[in-house]
Amino acid sequence: NAGVTQTPKFQVLKTGQSMTLQCAQDMNHEYMSWYRQDPGMGLRLIHYSVGAGITDQGEVPNGYNVSRSTTEDFPLRLLSAAPSQTSVYFCASSYSRDRAKQYFGPGTRLTVT
Amino acid sequence: RKEVEQDPGPFNVPEGATVAFNCTYSNSASQSFFWYRQDCRKEPKLLMSVYSSGNEDGRFTAQLNRASQYISLLIRDSKLSDSATYLCVVGSGTYKYIFGTGTRLKVLA
Repeated sequence: NAGVTQTPKFQVLKTGQSMTLQCAQDMNHEYMSWYRQDPGMGLRLIHYSVGAGITDQGEVPNGYNVSRSTTEDFPLRLLSAAPSQTSVYFCASSYSRDRAKQYFGPGTRLTVT
Repeated sequence: RKEVEQDPGPFNVPEGATVAFNCTYSNSASQSFFWYRQDCRKEPKLLMSVYSSGNEDGRFTAQLNRASQYISLLIRDSKLSDSATYLCVVGSGTYKYIFGTGTRLKVLA
C-alpha cells in the first residue's frame, strides 16, 4: 500500500493564482481531512469528509474548497492564493470507526508570493 | 487561552535519561487524547492513545489527569532516535481533534 500520497511536494504561487493540492489514499478509509501547519500554531483543520459526496468545514475553511467524488481522492482547491496561505498542508485519512488514528501524507509546502 | 497547550521546549536530555512532557487542555468535555510524533519536515505519526487508567507501550507511558486537565508522556531510557517533536492531540467531538503546537525533544549522545 502506498498509504496517503500528496502532490505536489512543493509549490510556489503568485497572489491571486488558483491551484489544487492532490491527496489520495489506498486504504479504503472513509474519513479524510486537510490540515495546515504553521509555526507556533499547530495543525489546524481546514475541511474534512466522512465519505464520498460528504464534506464539511473545519476550523479554518476560508479560501479553500474541497470535494470528495471517490473514496480514494480528496483534493483541496485554493481559489485565489494569498500570502497568508503560505503553509505546509497535510492530508490525513482514517477509518470512521477509529477516526483518531489518522494516517498523514508527506505534506505539500506552499509559498505564496 | 489556547485549547491545547504544550511547552515548546526544546528538552535536551542525554541518552538513557527519562523525560516527561505535559499537555494541558481547556475543554473539560474533551473525550479522547493522543500523542503523535513528528520528525523534522515530516508528517505526524500516531505514537499512542491515552487512556483514563494510563497506558504503556515499551519505553513510553501516557497518563491522563482529568481533574487537572492535562495529559503526560514519559519516555524512559531515551534513545537518539527519540529526537522529534511530540504533538498532543485532544478530541472534543465526533470529528474535532485539536493539535498542540508540539514539544521538541533532543536526545544527546
